[in-house]
Amino acid sequence: DQQVKQNSPSLSVQEGRISILNCDYTNSMFDYFLWYKKYPAEGPTFLISISSIKDKNEDGRFTVFLNKSAKHLSLHIVPSQPGDSAVYFCAASDRDDKIIFGKGTRLHILP
Amino acid sequence: DAGVIQSPRHEVTEMGQEVTLRCKPISGHNSLFWYRQTMMRGLELLIYFNNNVPIDDSGMPEDRFSAKMPNASFSTLKIQPSEPRDSAVYFCASKSGTGGDGYTFGSGTRLTVV
Repeated sequence: DQQVKQNSPSLSVQEGRISILNCDYTNSMFDYFLWYKKYPAEGPTFLISISSIKDKNEDGRFTVFLNKSAKHLSLHIVPSQPGDSAVYFCAASDRDDKIIFGKGTRLHILP
Repeated sequence: DAGVIQSPRHEVTEMGQEVTLRCKPISGHNSLFWYRQTMMRGLELLIYFNNNVPIDDSGMPEDRFSAKMPNASFSTLKIQPSEPRDSAVYFCASKSGTGGDGYTFGSGTRLTVV
């Protein structure tokens, strides 16, 4: 039973437009949420995170929004660039050290 | 800093053979994690160590899988005997401190069992 769900396996967005990647979770004990980006033949790399006490965290073109009541978070990328084409993993952790990942969403940025 | 180093990058083996995957975490990181990536399940946590001690191995799929961390700079994941369904990309990651800070992942080992 997946605790972190990314229901869209893939997403295509025009270059320059906004990319929105969504994620749902089931475990209310999660207190930290993260997004990772993965290119082919490489390991995932940390992108941005948010604590459960916040509802928004911004870092340059990347913003993560957290809606605790809905157990939902999203990653906004604006403007989208060709180098953003990758697989994005949503992840969550509780007070334990381990991080639980979703299955990922493949983002294609179209020219 | 060379990052998390995994070897080999690719491994092709016959069913029934023993496979050993290796990981060198970032120096100073006290937690180490083994993940497996498949199309069906995404990134699954297999086991993790804190200060070289296994903390949670509930993700290890079967007794055929075992992991060790004999010291702070080395860990192995062994599959014996290997089966075709073990084919996947295996990632090692490490982190320092506690809490929700992100991990640093290695580049992974692509295992193919034929």
